[in-house]
Parts: sequence; structure tokens; C-alpha cells
Amino acid sequence: QQQVKQSPQSLIVQKGGISIINCAYENTAFDYFPWYQQFPGKGPALLIAIRPDVSEKKEGRFTISFNKSAKQFSLHIMDSQPGDSATYFCAAPLITGGGNKLTFGTGTQLKVEL
Amino acid sequence: DTAVSQTPKYLVTQMGNDKSIKCEQNLGHDTMYWYKQDSKKFLKIMFSYNNKELIINETVPNRFSPKSPDKAHLNLHINSLELGDSAVYFCASSQVWEAAGELFFGEGSRLTVL
Repeated sequence: QQQVKQSPQSLIVQKGGISIINCAYENTAFDYFPWYQQFPGKGPALLIAIRPDVSEKKEGRFTISFNKSAKQFSLHIMDSQPGDSATYFCAAPLITGGGNKLTFGTGTQLKVEL
Repeated sequence: DTAVSQTPKYLVTQMGNDKSIKCEQNLGHDTMYWYKQDSKKFLKIMFSYNNKELIINETVPNRFSPKSPDKAHLNLHINSLELGDSAVYFCASSQVWEAAGELFFGEGSRLTVL
């Protein structure tokens, strides 16, 4: 079964540092790659997404970098803040036997320390 | 005013019981979903409904039965609960098919089966 491979599983970053989370995918139905952010006790919420006619998208401190040939994309959080501590999920619209489905990565628990 | 609301937030029940989770969205979206998040935080789609019609039915035991009385509501009924059903269940909705655009999640319903 196709997967979206996400790493690392957990990450501890100092306040002000850069957090980097990586994802790799197999065959997608088309190009749409979102990142979701989930705080404890809440549902995931869309953080940023890219439709890669571009290789990079930036929104504030959050940047998606996309490498289509390598089938990899990553989330960079610049100037990480304690309020960024959450679980982050990448996702990709994979081609599966049951149709095209948005498949989530396994999640990365980010902790930003003071 | 909550966009996607689900009730109850917590469910604790015995094995073998039947339980239901209700979901309502006030975003005017045509498509609604149920996702399951296990103890390792892995998010997996269970069902997808578009305008009250079942679109995606993952390999979920037939003890799980979704029902959509109208396009703003999607309920999940679970029969003969098992220990392995313990998880957080998220309802979500989207304007377009989930692999192409933003998903709006509810806050989740934590089911504990004893």
C-alpha cells in the first residue's frame, strides 16, 4: 500500500531555531501537498499547502520546499516559537486501489523549548 | 460559531456496546468525512460522503455504519464495540474533494472501549 513517509517522528528545537520536517511520497494523482498542524485535544488544521508549479511556497515563518523529481517535500519553520509546539502532518493525494485519496504522513511531534 | 462540530467529545463504554457519534458542519460544504486517529496519532480516512452519497469506504469493519441525513450532517454508528476501536474519531468537511483542497476538522470524539 502506498504511503507518505514522514520524518522525524519527534523533534525538539530551541526557541528561535529552524524546524525541518521531511516527507516522501510515491505516485500521486496530481500535485497538491498540504501540511496540517494539530494541537493537543484539537483537530488538525491546514497550515500551508503547495501546488507545485513552484518549488517553494512561503507564508510568514512557514515554508514548503518541493522536489518533484525526488518526490519529496519539506516544511521549514523559521524562528520557531513555543506556540509552534504541536504535531505536524504532511499529506499527498496518492493513487490507491480504491481511488485517489489524501494520505497523511505519520506525524511529527514538535516541541519548541525556551 | 463552530464550523465542524461533533458530539460527544468523550465516550467511555464497555465492549459489545453500540455507540454513535454525530457531526454537523455549517460551512455549506458538499463533502464530509470520518477519520480515525489511533494512539500513535496516525490519521486514516474511514468514509467520505458527497452530497449524502457514500464515495469512499475504506476497509473498515461493517460494524461501522455512517449515515448522512443531509449534506450538513454525517453520523457514525458503531456496533459491538471492540477494544481496538478505542481511538479519536474526527469528522471533517471540504468544499472540494479532500485530496484537492482544504479539509476542516472537528475537535474529535475520543472513544475508549473497556
